[in-house]
Amino acid sequence: GAVVSQHPSRVICKSGTSVKIECRSLDFQATTMFWYRQFPKQSLMLMATSNEGSKATYEQGVEKDKFLINHASLTLSTLTVTSAHPEDSSFYICTGQDDTDTQYFGPGTRLTVL
Amino acid sequence: AQSVTQPDIHITVSEGASLELRCNYSYGATPYLFWYVQSPGQGLQLLLKYFSGDTLVQGIKGFEAEFKRSQSSFNLRKPSVHWSDAAEYFCAVGLGGATNKLIFGTGTLLAVQP
Repeated sequence: GAVVSQHPSRVICKSGTSVKIECRSLDFQATTMFWYRQFPKQSLMLMATSNEGSKATYEQGVEKDKFLINHASLTLSTLTVTSAHPEDSSFYICTGQDDTDTQYFGPGTRLTVL
Repeated sequence: AQSVTQPDIHITVSEGASLELRCNYSYGATPYLFWYVQSPGQGLQLLLKYFSGDTLVQGIKGFEAEFKRSQSSFNLRKPSVHWSDAAEYFCAVGLGGATNKLIFGTGTLLAVQP
């Protein structure tokens, strides 16, 4: 099956710093990638839709200047959390969508902001 | 608006017993329907999906789900549960195409008793 990787799997940073999370589709091309956020014991909330070569589309309430998304190739999308604060601590999950409209999830990145 | 309801927050079954996890959706058109499983601290793994055709779909790990349009349901079943099935299960509706947002239910946490 299709595989999506994320790096890093865990990151701890100080408040005010920026963190970049990479999402890669390893064995397929993902024209569209999605970024989700999951709070403890809660469901996933879509943050943004990332299309290769174009600007990301953000969901209502998600600050595009805080969560910078770049989708430079068909296998790589990055999410940068700028000027991170403790309330940004969460589990961030990306997906890559294949040509059958199926999304395959990455393993997630646990961000802790001190 | 699209929505997904998983009425059961937590279910406990005995190993070897049958399982049914409920999922109801609200969507104006024929939806793309998915079931995902998440182990603690991990990303989501696709169990099965329904796009069209046969309303009974088979997935991995012995799971199946049945799409019932009249009931707006897509319940997940397994005839005999194994201890390794203990995890959180998410039902999702996909809107399809390049804007294939996934709308997730709140999840059902499955515990398996020996």
